[in-house]
Amino acid sequence: DAKTTQPTSMDCAEGRAANLPCNHSTISGNEYVYWYRQIHSQGPQYIIHGLKNNETNEMASLIITEDRKSSTLILPHATLRDTAVYYCIVLNNAGNMLTFGGGTRLMVKP
Amino acid sequence: GAVVSQHPSRVICKSGTSVKIECRSLDFQATTMFWYRQFPKQSLMLMATSNEGSKATYEQGVEKDKFLINHASLTLSTLTVTSAHPEDSSFYICSAFFPGGAKDTQYFGPGTRLTVL
Repeated sequence: DAKTTQPTSMDCAEGRAANLPCNHSTISGNEYVYWYRQIHSQGPQYIIHGLKNNETNEMASLIITEDRKSSTLILPHATLRDTAVYYCIVLNNAGNMLTFGGGTRLMVKP
Repeated sequence: GAVVSQHPSRVICKSGTSVKIECRSLDFQATTMFWYRQFPKQSLMLMATSNEGSKATYEQGVEKDKFLINHASLTLSTLTVTSAHPEDSSFYICSAFFPGGAKDTQYFGPGTRLTVL
């Protein structure tokens, strides 16, 4: 599965949109981009995933560039409860193991 | 969404004892479950892949005789830490693969914090 690169940390003001970038320049055609987050001392929570089209659900939006080499997770109105480590993972089969990198530590501030 | 539970959520045991952790998929059948371990301030590390009805596949460096995994049904996998030592103290997390076609994904349990005294 392709490797991903994410910023180590980001801050966001409460109520504003949080835009979390992820680079996956070696992604191959059949690999999906998955986003999970982990709030302190909890198990990771699935957020969203996509292949090439942009996706939106009740939690977030996922914007994938046309060349698929990068993506952005958007939390439209960040709240304090969105403070967590966000992981971007690329894999070709959701039944395969997930390889967690360092992720981005998002701090939402009042 | 799919729900995965773990029991217990927290356990403290003496060195040398064995501890069993259960992982259940509550509203779906999971042919594949995964066990991860997370040390403080580190990311999750995969320990083993558990397939229903077959032996688990362990990652390099994980002792299969120490971390016994049983996936006896499509909704339950157990991890037993045998002869636990203080260095086994960690946050153990399971995940279950939910085969939903285009919605394929893994869902995680809330984790079990093990402290070995």
